[in-house]
Amino acid sequence: DAGVIQSPRHEVTEMGQEVTLRCKPISGHDYLFWYRQTMMRGLELLIYFNNNVPIDDSGMPEDRFSAKMPNASFSTLKIQPSEPRDSAVYFCASSSSGVRLTQPQHFGDGTRLSIL
Amino acid sequence: DQQVKQNSPSLSVQEGRISILNCDYTNSMFDYFLWYKKYPAEGPTFLISISSIKDKNEDGRFTVFLNKSAKHLSLHIVPSQPGDSAVYFCAAENQGGKLIFGQGTELSVKP
Repeated sequence: DAGVIQSPRHEVTEMGQEVTLRCKPISGHDYLFWYRQTMMRGLELLIYFNNNVPIDDSGMPEDRFSAKMPNASFSTLKIQPSEPRDSAVYFCASSSSGVRLTQPQHFGDGTRLSIL
Repeated sequence: DQQVKQNSPSLSVQEGRISILNCDYTNSMFDYFLWYKKYPAEGPTFLISISSIKDKNEDGRFTVFLNKSAKHLSLHIVPSQPGDSAVYFCAAENQGGKLIFGQGTELSVKP
């Protein structure tokens, strides 16, 4: 079974450029989550969607960050303009609803982003 | 404000012995807890969970204990194996369905 697929795996770009991270959740999962992992803050939730609708974006750090989910099989996280402090590993995760609001989440392998 | 804390950044254990990873939380409204395991260059993978109505959940070599009065949970791995070497994250689910993760503990199991 295909897991959560993220692309690219690595991204190196210069400050000020637009960065787009992509995620394909597991088929049939109706929740999608974007996380960021840094040394300082650990693994923190940025935003999550249910049935393609953003539910909670309170973790999005600034207006420079935006996320969309145009359909059940695709989501993007954009940073425009990017800054060196955005350097981190970004994870996408998906889960299916069940007895709990969310079942255990399945994570992609992440995108390692470096902003020079 | 760190609502979920893993105070030990690293732990080293001999193969065959028990590994105990600890996690503390501050919010008494958390009612569901999970442990995730992460290898380098991979995403976290779900390991085991426990509801606040229980104090213990066991799955093979992995057991999670929950002490609600102390707001403390622990993950026991016995016997530990070299393949268990990874970073372990404790997470708590709040009533909005969001996971709050601890900083992680890096476990090293020596042969």
